[in-house]
Order: sequence, then C-alpha cells, then structure tokens
Amino acid sequence: QSVLTQPPSVSGAPGQRVTISCTGSSSNIGAGYDVHWYQQLPGTAPKLLIYGNTDRPSGVPDRFSGSKSGTSASLAITGLQAEDEADYYCQSYDSSLSGYVFGTGTKVSVL
Amino acid sequence: EVQLLESGGGLVQPGGSLRLSCAASGFTLSNYAMSWVRQAPGKGLEWVSSISASGGSTNYADSVKGRFTISRDTSKNTLYLQMNSLRAEDTAVYYCAKRKLGGYFDYWGQGTLVTVSS
Repeated sequence: QSVLTQPPSVSGAPGQRVTISCTGSSSNIGAGYDVHWYQQLPGTAPKLLIYGNTDRPSGVPDRFSGSKSGTSASLAITGLQAEDEADYYCQSYDSSLSGYVFGTGTKVSVL
Repeated sequence: EVQLLESGGGLVQPGGSLRLSCAASGFTLSNYAMSWVRQAPGKGLEWVSSISASGGSTNYADSVKGRFTISRDTSKNTLYLQMNSLRAEDTAVYYCAKRKLGGYFDYWGQGTLVTVSS
C-alpha cells in the first residue's frame, strides 16, 4: 500500500487553479528525498511531469509547478484545461522500505 | 528517440511463472538504472524492482521479494523480469521505466498486462 497520501480527486473549471497535495513521513519526503510527479492520461503509461520537486522536463507547460515543504509536496495546475483531465501521482524514495514509493493518486476533473 | 517496448504478458495460473521483456532503443541500457513498476486494474502505481546501471545491484519491493528477479542482457539492450510463484494479487499492467540519478523515471514503456487466474 502507498505510503504517500494524495486526495482521491480534485476538480476545477477551465482556467482555474487546482492543487494536489502529497503527504509523506520522516522516512521519505521528510528525510530530504526529492518528490517527482507523473501524469497518466486514460489508457496510457505515466508521463514525467515534475522532477526534483520543482523542475519541468522540456515540453511540459509552465502551467504545471511543484513545491515541497517538510513532509509534504504539492503540484499546482494553473489555467486548467480540458486536456489536463488525468490521474496524477507523486513519487519519492523511502529509506525504511529501501525502495521507491508512489502516492495514492489523484484524479483531476475539469468541470 | 528513447523507446521502451514491453512484451511477455498474458494469462497464467496461480503458482505459475512468466518472464517479461523490455526492449530498449535510443539509449544504451548499461548506462542507466532501470525499473519495473506495476499497476493493478483500477489501482495506483507500485514500484516492483530496480537494477543499477552497472547491473551489480538489484532491489525489490517486499511484495515480490524472493519470487521475482530483475536482470538484463546488454548485448540485446533488453531488460527482464522473471516472475515465479505468481499470485492473483500480481495481476497488473507491468511497465518498464528508465531511471535517472535523481531517483525519478523519465521514460516509460506502454506496459504489458499480466493476469493471474485459474
């Protein structure tokens, strides 16, 4: 089971800003391990969205931004668009488990 | 262009075995760490196993330790996952992913479905 907790769903109207939280513990995010974010469109493989807490791979719009503080991290989507409807997952490393861990996932809906 | 192409999935009975393959192109497998990540139907992502760039270090999730083995053939630029003693809860789409030094997965394959059922 996931050790990083995310809200099951968030929604917003086109153009609005939504945020997704990712809550961990002292053995993962709180231990200083970076947080990364992935977008998974329906029926497709995950795609890297944010790496190293705040960095975007080339080609990812600057509407997507990440932050990290303490034992939590957040993904913000500004200027929400219909094409942003997808599942979003955070990911980090856990020293207690000696492995990589993913968040529970958040479904973003555009109203 | 980096591409990862998984194969080998299918229907297998509980207790059976299966070997997944992931053919890599656009980069040299021996220069990068690689991982397997799975996703049960309608569920979230779960890291399964990783192999270091040198191939000398492997790691497994507790849920598969002792049953799954990750390996690679650098001459074929292909990653493998040998899965033994399969259980119903191993049913999932299995993705191979290229792992960066920062601990994130920058490229993913399209996935291959493994169904464990009698």
